[in-house]
Amino acid sequence: DAGVIQSPRHEVTEMGQEVTLRCKPISGHNSLFWYRQTMMRGLELLIYFNNNVPIDDSGMPEDRFSAKMPNASFSTLKIQPSEPRDSAVYFCASSLGSSNQPQHFGDGTRLSIL
Amino acid sequence: GQSLEQPSEVTAVEGAIVQINCTYQTSGFYGLSWYQQHDGGAPTFLSYNALDGLEETGRFSSFLSRSDSYGYLLLQELQMKDSASYFCAVEIYNQGGKLIFGQGTELSVKP
Repeated sequence: DAGVIQSPRHEVTEMGQEVTLRCKPISGHNSLFWYRQTMMRGLELLIYFNNNVPIDDSGMPEDRFSAKMPNASFSTLKIQPSEPRDSAVYFCASSLGSSNQPQHFGDGTRLSIL
Repeated sequence: GQSLEQPSEVTAVEGAIVQINCTYQTSGFYGLSWYQQHDGGAPTFLSYNALDGLEETGRFSSFLSRSDSYGYLLLQELQMKDSASYFCAVEIYNQGGKLIFGQGTELSVKP
């Protein structure tokens, strides 16, 4: 079975550019999570969706960040405009959304903003 | 708020046993999970404790004591491939599976 699929795996772009990260959750999973990981801040939850509805976006750092989940098999995280401090590894994870259900992580997108 | 504390680094030798502790300040959670992350890779699920006590999965065991706000991950017969970061996480009540992660413990296994 396919796991969580993220694209692109690597992204290098100049500050000010728009960045779009994509995620395809595991089929049948109804919760989707976006995380950011840096050495300084560790693994931070940015936003999560349940049944395609955003439930908690309190971790989204600024208005420059937005996330959508138009259907059960696709989500995007967008940064516009991007800044060097946004450089990090961004992970998407999905789960069945009930207790005792593990989260399955994608391989992440390594983002570098120059 | 919720917070979890883990040691930042642990070093052990191949074949030994190591315990990674996790203390937390939170209320209203379903259980304590552990995830493993190799350098540059995706975190992967290791274990989950919903109830107090010990859960064993092969060489790995995990323990939870709600009364002590404490848990640990026990790794036995350490192998070089166990070198990785280990994260504890709590699943918050009625939050659709939302996890709060600790800062992670980097385990180095030496020959």
